[in-house]
Amino acid sequence: DIVMTQSPDSLAVSLGERATITCKSSQSLLWSSNNKNYLAWYQQKPGQPPKLLFYWASTRESGVPDRFSGSGSGTDFTLTISSLQAEDVAVYYCQQYYGAPPYTFGQGTKVEIK
Amino acid sequence: QLQLQESGPGLVNPSETLSLTCTVSGGSISSSSYYWGWIRQPPGKGLEWIGSIYYSGSTYYNPSLKSRVTMSVDTSKNQFSLKLSSVTAADTAVYYCARPRLGGSVNWFFDLWGRGTLVTVSS
Repeated sequence: DIVMTQSPDSLAVSLGERATITCKSSQSLLWSSNNKNYLAWYQQKPGQPPKLLFYWASTRESGVPDRFSGSGSGTDFTLTISSLQAEDVAVYYCQQYYGAPPYTFGQGTKVEIK
Repeated sequence: QLQLQESGPGLVNPSETLSLTCTVSGGSISSSSYYWGWIRQPPGKGLEWIGSIYYSGSTYYNPSLKSRVTMSVDTSKNQFSLKLSSVTAADTAVYYCARPRLGGSVNWFFDLWGRGTLVTVSS
């Protein structure tokens, strides 16, 4: 199985400041035939199911504020919140969907307000 | 608007079988080429994909759970179901049903989720 490792496990950021979460995969998620990275990001608030933020590593889901951005390729990916807002407090997960199942998630990164 | 809703017992005895159903409303489970999925989350922990099922009954299971998982679909009721046998306390989790964005193939990321249902394994 592909192992997804996120860092840090938690971070506290001041309102309006940048938050950066990294996700590393144990093998490349880049499919050479279409040049796409099979990596998604989710946001989960307490008591709610995960919400899709990005897929193909950097394609923003409709309705997701543009202060959120996804980047990276191969085995290294980043989710950035450019200016943290109070409503962004949540746990963020990356998920790989490369090749055949099983598809695996990172352990999650908890974002809080400093 | 398509919606998913999990249902089933909230408490299961150890060694018994956990049974959950996901009801799809606002659309037909068989009119689209989706593999409908189950994902779980132990309290305070991360997400684990359990398996996925096509409306025809074709399935993919997580190898870590494969020996204990059975999924089925009832198109007449617009439902799909999960059975997990020989449960232990480690199977205590919120269980979500979910639909992937991409139909017709594997490579699933999930854009539609049920609200989840907490299943506790305890005597």
